[in-house]
Amino acid sequence: EVQLVESGGGLVQPGESLRLACAASGFTFSSNWMSWVRQAPGKGLEWVANIKQDGSEKYYVDSVKGRFTISRDNAQNSLYLQMNSLRAEDTAVYYCARGQWLAHWGQGTLVTVSS
Amino acid sequence: DIQMTQSPSSLSASVGDRVTITCRASQGIRNDLGWYQQKPGKAPKRLIYAASSLQSEVPSRFSGSGSGTEFTLTISSLQPEDFATYYCLQYSSFPYTFGQGTKLEIK
Repeated sequence: EVQLVESGGGLVQPGESLRLACAASGFTFSSNWMSWVRQAPGKGLEWVANIKQDGSEKYYVDSVKGRFTISRDNAQNSLYLQMNSLRAEDTAVYYCARGQWLAHWGQGTLVTVSS
Repeated sequence: DIQMTQSPSSLSASVGDRVTITCRASQGIRNDLGWYQQKPGKAPKRLIYAASSLQSEVPSRFSGSGSGTEFTLTISSLQPEDFATYYCLQYSSFPYTFGQGTKLEIK
């Protein structure tokens, strides 16, 4: 069974940093693209970033380019999202998802950016 | 960026009804489209991929169709557990983009 478990969310002040993690199991992590998607409170879904199997390709939505970095550790079956210079508008539940086509999702972790 | 226009934004229907939700892409995306169901407080769940392929273990009352710029999700006979919010997603090119969602409510 595919399992994705996000962690690392919390309350931070504007301008601060946070690193999210996603622990994967139940599939061959190193063979899959991985993704981050977010959902602001009461709003729709927004794709954030994708990373290729070997980390050689990464793609981001414009609003996070230069501030967020997606990475992975295939030996640890883990996906990460380093978020710097956080803004109030980054407040959301962050989901990791398996595959280039977002086949399976974790339960999400809440990031709140507020002073 | 490719814009995904989803309609309607909300829909009231009864158990047993047939329901159709539409997504229109601002440019052609072949069949690079998925449909997702989200219930309150839960993660989205993929129902359909490649526009018309049913995700394993998803009931056959769900179906998808379309190609290019026009896509539909149809629920042939609504069940109580189907009341949720539905989203389309284009993954033809980056940035991926979602439709704004359709909230399906009980009439």
